Amino acid sequence: QQQVKQSPQSLIVQKGGISIINCAYENTAFDYFPWYQQFPGKGPALLIAIRPDVSEKKEGRFTISFNKSAKQFSLHIMDSQPGDSATYFCAASSSGYALNFGKGTSLLVTP
Amino acid sequence: GAVVSQHPSRVICKSGTSVKIECRSLDFQATTMFWYRQFPKKSLMLMATSNEGSKATYEQGVEKDKFLINHASLTLSTLTVTSAHPEDSSFYICSARDPGQGAGEQYFGPGTRLTVT
Repeated sequence: QQQVKQSPQSLIVQKGGISIINCAYENTAFDYFPWYQQFPGKGPALLIAIRPDVSEKKEGRFTISFNKSAKQFSLHIMDSQPGDSATYFCAASSSGYALNFGKGTSLLVTP
Repeated sequence: GAVVSQHPSRVICKSGTSVKIECRSLDFQATTMFWYRQFPKKSLMLMATSNEGSKATYEQGVEKDKFLINHASLTLSTLTVTSAHPEDSSFYICSARDPGQGAGEQYFGPGTRLTVT
């Protein structure tokens, strides 16, 4: 059973545009919500993470928006660049336990 | 961020042989490490949770006698694929939880591509 549902499966954005990826979860015990970026043949790299006590976190061009009541969180990539083309995974976990991953979103940023 | 290394990055072995993959946390002590398997264009599938000094906890459907995990120190966990078969060919990735980071962030290694011929 997929504990974290991620959409869309793939996304094409023009350079300079905003990329938005959404995730939803059911388990209210989850208290840690990271996003990972993965390039082909490489391990996932932690991009940004949020805890439920804040509704938004911004690091550079990357922003997580978190809606606790709706049990949803999203990643916004501002001013998307071709170098951002990768697969993005959202995840969720309860403190210290293993991550539950979404199925991933393949992002392509066109020049 | 914290650094996790894996060795080897690629390995090719013959059916029936065993292969050991190492996962090291380079700049922090990891009491907990995780092993994942990833198929092409798919998400990461948790195989087992490895705790230093104790037996690993395997996910349902993962054969513990086939995928041997040892976490002998706070910076090293190993995964041994025993009697490998072609269906074991996959991308294996470890992660380590850094308890020094308040939220216990997990950092991933670069992965090991296993090909069984």
